[in-house]
Amino acid sequence: NAGVTQTPKFRILKIGQSMTLQCTQDMNHNYMYWYRQDPGMGLKLIYYSVGAGITDKGEVPNGYNVSRSTTEDFPLRLELAAPSQTSVYFCASSYGPREPDTQYFGPGTRLTVL
Amino acid sequence: QQQVKQSPQSLIVQKGGIPIINCAYENTAFDYFPWYQQFPGKGPALLIAIRPDVSEKKEGRFTISFNKSAKQFSLHIMDSQPGDSATYFCAASRTGGFKTIFGAGTRLFVKA
Repeated sequence: NAGVTQTPKFRILKIGQSMTLQCTQDMNHNYMYWYRQDPGMGLKLIYYSVGAGITDKGEVPNGYNVSRSTTEDFPLRLELAAPSQTSVYFCASSYGPREPDTQYFGPGTRLTVL
Repeated sequence: QQQVKQSPQSLIVQKGGIPIINCAYENTAFDYFPWYQQFPGKGPALLIAIRPDVSEKKEGRFTISFNKSAKQFSLHIMDSQPGDSATYFCAASRTGGFKTIFGAGTRLFVKA
């Protein structure tokens, strides 16, 4: 199993550009999450999904959009990138809903907006 | 009620020392308390976890102590090594709930 994979690993965007961060898991997990981690800081939940077709906002959703058309994939869309979105983005997944919520994280995407 | 408060923010210990990281929660519905370890440039990974029906759990050099009445839990690292230098996150969740609540993280540096 590859676990949770994320692409790209690094990206530099100009202000106003858009991009999609890809996330795929091969563990047949129901729950998937997107977090951002600013330098030296903790994890902030952007969006989460409890199954295909079901998504909901976390604590910092502004400027982002998600979709979940399959169990495996949970892409994060940035529209009109801003310098405040410079961060490291982690995708995670967990079994849910009858299991303890152990989250499996991807390796992250480091995004810089200039 | 959804917060998990973690302290200290950073910690420096000598090799062989026993760093202790503390967390406190308010929501008594939480029933799963994992700790995650994150090395620089990597994603967090599960280190050890505990349920509230036990007061202590050991895995190798890592021990979780859990105080249900005080709503507190802590991570102890015995005989710490430079390779333990990382950021540690405590967390809490409720089975069947949708989200895990993470603490703010503790940056640990173990001096050789």
